[in-house]
Amino acid sequence: QMQLQESGPGLVKPSQTLSLTCTVSGGSISNDSYYWSWIRQPAGKGLEWIGHIYTSGTTNYNPSLKSRVTISLDRSKNQFSLKVSSVTAADTAMFYCARDGAAFDIWGQGTMVTVSS
Amino acid sequence: EIVLTQSPATLSLSPGERATLSCRASQSVSSYLAWYQQKPGQAPRLLIYHASNRATGIPARFSGSGSGTDFTLTISSLEPEDFAVYYCQQRSNSPRTFGQGSKLEIK
Repeated sequence: QMQLQESGPGLVKPSQTLSLTCTVSGGSISNDSYYWSWIRQPAGKGLEWIGHIYTSGTTNYNPSLKSRVTISLDRSKNQFSLKVSSVTAADTAMFYCARDGAAFDIWGQGTMVTVSS
Repeated sequence: EIVLTQSPATLSLSPGERATLSCRASQSVSSYLAWYQQKPGQAPRLLIYHASNRATGIPARFSGSGSGTDFTLTISSLEPEDFAVYYCQQRSNSPRTFGQGSKLEIK
């Protein structure tokens, strides 16, 4: 069955750009009509949707982060990626990628990103 | 942005009891509401989508109801593995939003 796996640096310096990749296995990121989302969760807190990309490449971002976020798709690698620019300590969180159809039905295990100098 | 308010924040029950969790939306989300379960150190797991449809592999003791602004997740008879945090989430409007979570703890 389909699986998602996040990868990327666990530590990012303030003001730099956070970059994460979600690798999709067990299915094609291009063949189905799904959105592909990023969601984050600060330690001990709730879930925040960051944004998503459709199989066509169309994106939609949460206004709370919109000016700093870019989500892209790499069909050749069956991956989608997240970039968050100008990070601060407030961006420290567990980041999840998820398949987004009727709901977020498949999640990656998550990757912890800490923003610190 | 649609705000989802979950209640109670914490619910203390014993195994075998019935759990009822609520989610209220600041405006109608029709039936575009989902419920997730999250255990410590794990990613959330989808339980219910479209307000009342159980996701694949979810036991029948989990049920969802409601439409518009008021929704309920019911666990008919609690098993030890059901003690966790539960989130509701809407996809009616962008941005997709989550409730703040309800913690179901063992009494």
